[in-house]
Amino acid sequence: DARVTQTPRHKVTEMGQEVTMRCQPILGHNTVFWYRQTMMQGLELLAYFRNRAPLDDSGMPKDRFSAEMPDATLATLKIQPSEPRDSAVYFCASGPLAGRYTGELFFGEGSRLTVL
Amino acid sequence: ILNVEQSPQSLHVQEGDSTNFTCSFPSSNFYALHWYRWETAKSPEALFVMTLNGDEKKKGRISATLNTKEGYSYLYIKGSQPEDSATYLCDLGIGAQKLVFGQGTRLTINP
Repeated sequence: DARVTQTPRHKVTEMGQEVTMRCQPILGHNTVFWYRQTMMQGLELLAYFRNRAPLDDSGMPKDRFSAEMPDATLATLKIQPSEPRDSAVYFCASGPLAGRYTGELFFGEGSRLTVL
Repeated sequence: ILNVEQSPQSLHVQEGDSTNFTCSFPSSNFYALHWYRWETAKSPEALFVMTLNGDEKKKGRISATLNTKEGYSYLYIKGSQPEDSATYLCDLGIGAQKLVFGQGTRLTINP
């Protein structure tokens, strides 16, 4: 059963530490998204990639966040240095993209980050 | 800035009652709309993919309609059950480059 895999599932760290979250998209999906669950329970888009190339990271605080996709099976979201306000659940999602986008996204189970 | 709006933000419904809520979007550049169900402590799961004006999709007691000319989609739940309690998200695909999510409608079914 194909699914998006995220690690770690839970992370507790201290302010100032570096945090790296990893995502393995579903094999064959060429679009990967990083979202953060907001206090209002919505999804805030941080970054997304198509065919490993970053298409939009305008939702990401550039001074401390970075997103990369070193290969087709791995996407990373890094926070350095982390701050308490970064505490949230971070979701990775992948989807197929062919010409016009019509497919739905498949979400990982999320990485719950707590910054003390 | 593209805005996808969902209303209401939250909804309390008595078990057995039917309900519906809305996803509104600018009608230009529409390519696809998706509905997701997001249960607490889980990740969003896709319910429907809708691409054509007039689309109607159904899965059990849940159905959805799409009007791209006026820019809205309705999600209906017939005979609500406690397991329907969740946040329902819609997202709008605007071409091959962008997906925009609404803030969701949080549905609570009261036994």
